[in-house]
Amino acid sequence: AQSVTQLDSQVPVFEEAPVELRCNYSSSVSVYLFWYVQYPNQGLQLLLKYLSGSTLVKGINGFEAEFNKSQTSFHLRKPSVHISDTAEYFCATRTNTGNQFYFGTGTSLTVIP
Amino acid sequence: DADVTQTPRNRITKTGKRIMLECSQTKGHDRMYWYRQDPGLGLRLIYYSFDVKDINKGEISDGYSVSRQAQAKFSLSLESAIPNQTALYFCATWDGLAGQFFGPGTRLTVL
Repeated sequence: AQSVTQLDSQVPVFEEAPVELRCNYSSSVSVYLFWYVQYPNQGLQLLLKYLSGSTLVKGINGFEAEFNKSQTSFHLRKPSVHISDTAEYFCATRTNTGNQFYFGTGTSLTVIP
Repeated sequence: DADVTQTPRNRITKTGKRIMLECSQTKGHDRMYWYRQDPGLGLRLIYYSFDVKDINKGEISDGYSVSRQAQAKFSLSLESAIPNQTALYFCATWDGLAGQFFGPGTRLTVL
């Protein structure tokens, strides 16, 4: 069985400060990993994904994430946040042979001016 | 035009009513999904479909049914709505390779 844990339900951060949103997963098989962003009153948009290759993945809007197999983590980072980054962020997994995606409970990022 | 559209965007209904939420896509993807989003619970899978003849239950299918009318259309029905089905519902498509593409969501309130 797969599961995704986002330990931080809310993360407040000042504008231009760095941020890290944590994601841990559990799976008995190889997985693919994703981060999505949900702006208010909108659907989810794919930020970045890890399928294979380099463990450091760069996405849109200056975000990046690092796949750490030994720690079963896929934390999302941005060196300097903007007001416009205020949103809900979801981590998700899929096995390399499966057709279902498993989502974490989300982290609400609030950027403070 | 949006790649994945959902209608209606908002709906308020009463307990016991039958409700249908519709999803259409222009991405040409075979795989389509229905999720519900509740605060603090993230997204949970209700049903998914790989083509018009292939329907699969997800984690929380009880109380819901679906219909895949065509490659581009996937509808979710609540046969007899109850208050704990009040949630935000999302349709998503997937090309089998990368991530999913989501619609804008339908906010359903059951009184």
